[in-house]
Amino acid sequence: DAKTTQPNSMESNEEEPVHLPCNHSTISGTDYIHWYRQLPSQGPEYVIHGLTSNVNNRMASLAIAEDRKSSTLILHRATLRDAAVYYCILRNKNAGGTSYGKLTFGQGTILTVHP
Amino acid sequence: DAGVTQSPTHLIKTRGQHVTLRCSPISGHKSVSWYQQVLGQGPQFIFQYYEKEERGRGNFPDRFSARQFPNYSSELNVNALLLGDSALYLCASRVWTASFTDTQYFGPGTRLTVL
Repeated sequence: DAKTTQPNSMESNEEEPVHLPCNHSTISGTDYIHWYRQLPSQGPEYVIHGLTSNVNNRMASLAIAEDRKSSTLILHRATLRDAAVYYCILRNKNAGGTSYGKLTFGQGTILTVHP
Repeated sequence: DAGVTQSPTHLIKTRGQHVTLRCSPISGHKSVSWYQQVLGQGPQFIFQYYEKEERGRGNFPDRFSARQFPNYSSELNVNALLLGDSALYLCASRVWTASFTDTQYFGPGTRLTVL
């Protein structure tokens, strides 16, 4: 499986944008980029996913580099409730149905938001 | 709608004992996955179940087993507990489709402490 590399931690101020980077230099053409986050004392929750084009939803935006070797999760206005561990995960669409229920988590990035 | 529920919330056991953890998926979700999250690390995949059958297994010893019931709820069993089994055990459910992009919905987890 292709691996991802994320910074161990990042800090932000409330109401400011946050850019969380993820490197995946060995990504294959059939790997989708998924982001999950884990709030304190909770299970992970889905944030966003994409393949090649930038993606937006109500939670965040995902910017994918043209060569797909890196991506950035963008929180447009951080709030205290966004303080969490953010995980960048690659999922291969050709891996087969039995792998669909498996997410391979790395260490993630601990995001601290200051008031 | 209720999310994924897990019981108990916390559990303390001693080495050598057996433990059973329970998970109820979101209504309509037919697949359940189990993860182990050791403090400071990302969750690690243990099992995936669908229609009462194991559909994927992570790199865990045979002391770990699980089953899924006709109502799609699931149990994770761990025998001969070791100190290293102390962790947060997470259950995730999803709708079983042919799409690998199905979102997984996680429960809050069961915190197991082995003394």
